[in-house]
Amino acid sequence: DTGVSQDPRHKITKRGQNVTFRCDPISEHNRLYWYRQTLGQGPEFLTYFQNEAQLEKSRLLSDRFSAERPKGSFSTLEIQRTEQGDSAMYLCASSSPDSVGALKQYFGPGTRLTVT
Amino acid sequence: AQSVTQPDIHITVSEGASLELRCNYSYGATPYLFWYVQSPGQGLQLLLKYFSGDTLVQGIKGFEAEFKRSQSSFNLRKPSVHWSDAAEYFCAVGYTDKLIFGTGTRLQVFP
Repeated sequence: DTGVSQDPRHKITKRGQNVTFRCDPISEHNRLYWYRQTLGQGPEFLTYFQNEAQLEKSRLLSDRFSAERPKGSFSTLEIQRTEQGDSAMYLCASSSPDSVGALKQYFGPGTRLTVT
Repeated sequence: AQSVTQPDIHITVSEGASLELRCNYSYGATPYLFWYVQSPGQGLQLLLKYFSGDTLVQGIKGFEAEFKRSQSSFNLRKPSVHWSDAAEYFCAVGYTDKLIFGTGTRLQVFP
């Protein structure tokens, strides 16, 4: 069990640029989640996948955000035309397939995005 | 709506003292409850969880939590805090396959 990994760990970008983050879940986990954490707040749910299917998206996920999990393994989160309000820690988590186990989520170290 | 409240933003304790972090939830059904810890620059690590059964649950690093349905609470406790416990602690409730987190409590430990 190598844990959930995320790349990059830090990203500094200028307003208006596009950024993409990657998450590699624990290999046997078929569920993958994205959360966003701003300073002084707890993580907030953005979206999640079961295998390749994106099953739910939060209203926080504006049209500038898109997430994919093309082969049911790693996932990418892209933010287009970044705004300063997008500055946050983006956390990825994965969990096992069973109904209760899906809630036992293992988190990666996060990608800290700073938009200047 | 489902929500989690952590009333204490910041708590300071001396090393060796006991600790209790408060968590209250709002949820219509039997909740699935969690405590996570986040060290600076790190992701979230699961300390313990409550799904059903015994309302006193044991976790890692000597932590425990007690589910009290009548008070809608799931407080985290540790009998003797170590300096390495300094971190941010998040309570969460599981809702339709996702987690809803509180705003966290920052724990500072003095020697």
